[in-house]
Amino acid sequence: DAGVIQSPRHEVTEMGQEVTLRCKPISGHNSLFWYRQTMMRGLELLIYFNNNVPIDDSGMPEDRFSAKMPNASFSTLKIQPSEPRDSAVYFCASSFRGRLYGYTFGSGTRLTVV
Amino acid sequence: KNEVEQSPQNLTAQEGEFITINCSYSVGISALHWLQQHPGGGIVSLFMLSSGKKKHGRLIATINIQEKHSSLHITASHPRDSAVYICAAQENYGGSQGNLIFGKGTKLSVKP
Repeated sequence: DAGVIQSPRHEVTEMGQEVTLRCKPISGHNSLFWYRQTMMRGLELLIYFNNNVPIDDSGMPEDRFSAKMPNASFSTLKIQPSEPRDSAVYFCASSFRGRLYGYTFGSGTRLTVV
Repeated sequence: KNEVEQSPQNLTAQEGEFITINCSYSVGISALHWLQQHPGGGIVSLFMLSSGKKKHGRLIATINIQEKHSSLHITASHPRDSAVYICAAQENYGGSQGNLIFGKGTKLSVKP
């Protein structure tokens, strides 16, 4: 298994542009999490899917952020329009809910908005 | 007050020293995770605990459910152990069941 796959690894974009981050969870995992990491706030949950359904999106900063999970093997996090304060590392993680299995994190996407 | 508190924030040790990182949490949990993040950013899951103690190589993790406290120990530390160690509490209630609440991390630097 290749693990949780995120793309792109790095993204530099201009303020106001749309940014789409992608995640492929581990096959068989039914929970998917998007986290954001900044120096100031550490790791924070943005949104959490279970069986492709968004369960908790209370961490999504504002309407500029949206996330989808059209099927069990793919999720996107979109920022439109992007702002410099969105610069962070965005991690995707997956797990199998209902059992005490560990989480597997993707390598993260480092986003820089200039 | 943060729901997951780690100490110390920064730790410098000499190679070979025994290291302890502490984590206290205030939420109800189904499990407690220890994660490692190296420079370059990747996050690796080290341990997931719901009770007692786990050991993997030179790493030992313990948890005391009654006291809501966990520790990560590294024996015979080595410069390659230099990383940020993050404690995360896995919630066990409501709609957020399964979500992780993270501590701020402990930055460990092991000098040769």
